Amino acid sequence: GQSLEQPSEVTAVEGAIVQINCTYQTSGFYGLSWYQQHDGGAPTFLSYNGLDGLEETGRFSSFLSRSDSYGYLLLQELQMKDSASYFCAVRDNYGQNFVFGPGTRLSVLP
Amino acid sequence: DTAVSQTPKYLVTQMGNDKSIKCEQNLGHDTMYWYKQDSKKFLKIMFSYNNKELIINETVPNRFSPKSPDKAHLNLHINSLELGDSAVYFCASGSGLAGGVSDEQFFGPGTRLTVL
Repeated sequence: GQSLEQPSEVTAVEGAIVQINCTYQTSGFYGLSWYQQHDGGAPTFLSYNGLDGLEETGRFSSFLSRSDSYGYLLLQELQMKDSASYFCAVRDNYGQNFVFGPGTRLSVLP
Repeated sequence: DTAVSQTPKYLVTQMGNDKSIKCEQNLGHDTMYWYKQDSKKFLKIMFSYNNKELIINETVPNRFSPKSPDKAHLNLHINSLELGDSAVYFCASGSGLAGGVSDEQFFGPGTRLTVL
C-alpha cells in the first residue's frame, strides 16, 4: 500500500520561511500534491509535482525528488493567514484513488 | 458559482438511522470522490467514481454506498449509522487522470455528521 509521513506540527513567525517535508512509500508513483486546510474549511489545492524539481506559485513552492521518495512544500514571507494544516497526497497503486498524509499543522506567530 | 456543493452542512442523527449526503459539481469533471476526515484530521478516501467505474476503498463498510444519478452528482448513503461514523465527509471532483500536468481535486465544503 501507500504511506506518507509528515511532521505533525511546525511553528514559525510572520515573515519567516518554513519547509514542510513529506516522505512517501508507494508501489507506483503518479505525482505528489499539496493541499491546505484551514480549521473548519475544506482542503484546497496548492501545487502538484509530477516530475523532479521545483514548482513555484507565488509565495509557495513545492519540490520533488522521486529517487529519494521525498518532497517538500516551502512557504515564504509567512502571513498569519497561512496558519492551517497542510497535507501531501499521492495516488494509490492503481492511479485511481488518492492517499493523503497525516497533515502538518502550521502555526504562524506574530 | 459554487464548484462543488454538498448538503446538508450539518447532520445530527441517532444510531441505527439511515441518512444521505448529496454532492453536486459543475466543473464538468469525470471523476468524483468521497472522503472521511476524522477528529484527528486524517483524510481518508472512501470511493472514487466516474461514469465507468466505481473504486471502493476496501476498508469502507458496506453500510456506505455511493449513488450517482448522473455525471455531476455523487450522493453518499449510509445505513445503520454507528457512533464511529461521526466525522466530516467531503465530496471532491477531479479529472481522474493520473500523470497529467496537474492532479487538482476540488473539494466541497464538507458535511459534519454527528451520530448520537
